[in-house]
Amino acid sequence: SQQGEEDPQALSIQEGENATMNCSYKTSINNLQWYRQNSGRGLVHLILIRSNEREKHSGRLRVTLDTSKKSSSLLITASRAADTASYFCAIPMNRDDKIIFGKGTRLHILP
Amino acid sequence: EAGVAQSPRYKIIEKRQSVAFWCNPISGHATLYWYQQILGQGPKLLIQFQNNGVVDDSQLPKDRFSAERLKGVDSTLKIQPAKLEDSAVYLCASSLGARARNLSYNSPLHFGNGTRLTVT
Repeated sequence: SQQGEEDPQALSIQEGENATMNCSYKTSINNLQWYRQNSGRGLVHLILIRSNEREKHSGRLRVTLDTSKKSSSLLITASRAADTASYFCAIPMNRDDKIIFGKGTRLHILP
Repeated sequence: EAGVAQSPRYKIIEKRQSVAFWCNPISGHATLYWYQQILGQGPKLLIQFQNNGVVDDSQLPKDRFSAERLKGVDSTLKIQPAKLEDSAVYLCASSLGARARNLSYNSPLHFGNGTRLTVT
């Protein structure tokens, strides 16, 4: 079964708007990762947030983590056409680096 | 640094045939993963290697799938015989590995572009 569940499954917004997607998980973690996948390509690591961090920024990306609610959110500000992709949260299952992915959020940026 | 290399990029076979995929991870990466991604879904972990040893293969259909990682570097994933439901993208990923780096957090994964398998 999937450890992380992203919400929404699909999202369409106008270029320039902000996009927010969420990830919920079930077990205790020491970090959570977000990845992007463009059509026909492999996944690309975006950002890693540790369990002792509440918020992290990277360019136009902002990730939050609430360990009490077992949830994380990814915010993309000032969206661009190139942000059209699927976004996945990844949950490490243990220190042996077993990484489990959710089903993803398919983001479509409208021109 | 060179990325994760996978071949072939595409493969079309008939059911009951055999197929093999190859992966060359980033140099120095101790951990190697094979994921299966069915269209519209997230990647599903099939097998994880730490150097040349298997860490997790709980989701690998062992009656038809096999994988090996020779000398802790390159890896091959084989399906024999293939079924229609094996049609998917097979992704290889590698990472430095938390244990290898004695870290308390996991290392990011680096993915290849995958092999798209179509079974007819």
